[in-house]
Amino acid sequence: EDQVTQSPEALRLQEGESSSLNCSYTVSGLRGLFWYRQDPGKGPEFLFTLYSAGEEKEKERLKATLTKKESFLHITAPKPEDSATYLCAVQAGGGTSYGKLTFGQGTILTVHP
Amino acid sequence: KAGVTQTPRYLIKTRGQQVTLSCSPISGHRSVSWYQQTPGQGLQFLFEYFSETQRNKGNFPGRFSGRQFSNSRSEMNVSTLELGDSALYLCASSLVAQKNIQYFGAGTRLSVL
Repeated sequence: EDQVTQSPEALRLQEGESSSLNCSYTVSGLRGLFWYRQDPGKGPEFLFTLYSAGEEKEKERLKATLTKKESFLHITAPKPEDSATYLCAVQAGGGTSYGKLTFGQGTILTVHP
Repeated sequence: KAGVTQTPRYLIKTRGQQVTLSCSPISGHRSVSWYQQTPGQGLQFLFEYFSETQRNKGNFPGRFSGRQFSNSRSEMNVSTLELGDSALYLCASSLVAQKNIQYFGAGTRLSVL
């Protein structure tokens, strides 16, 4: 069974204090690993997708990396508007994975001014 | 380009009733997936439809069902509602050519009293 574990559950940062969120996964043949951001009362917003170990993607203050067992979401010099829940999800290979993402529980990030 | 639209945004029902939720995908997207989000279980996959066919199903009881129409719009139905069905129901659409990146709607908040 596919599993995704995110840590920490919650992270409080001061504005400008860089840090990383972790996503550990076990999956039968990784088709893709996805990072989403979710604000209260809204649906998840797509951030990145990674497909193979060693791949990296960047967007503004965020950078996602992937190894064979985990992914990191690095946040550089965060701002209060980066406060949200960050979700990691995997899609397995094979026919049984059609349209199915397996999500972690998320990391609640709070950035104080 | 319009995003994924879910209606209604909020619903209040009583135990034993049934409910139908609607999802309009992004134009051109033919795959629609449904998820249930609760504080305890996080985001859990319900089912996926592509070209009016259910291709995948999660571990939910038969009270949860869905369908997709020829214009790719999708509905999900929950019969004989239970208190535990209270959740945020999220719909996501994807374009296979975009390597299955799922874009989410804002969700329907269902409260069962």
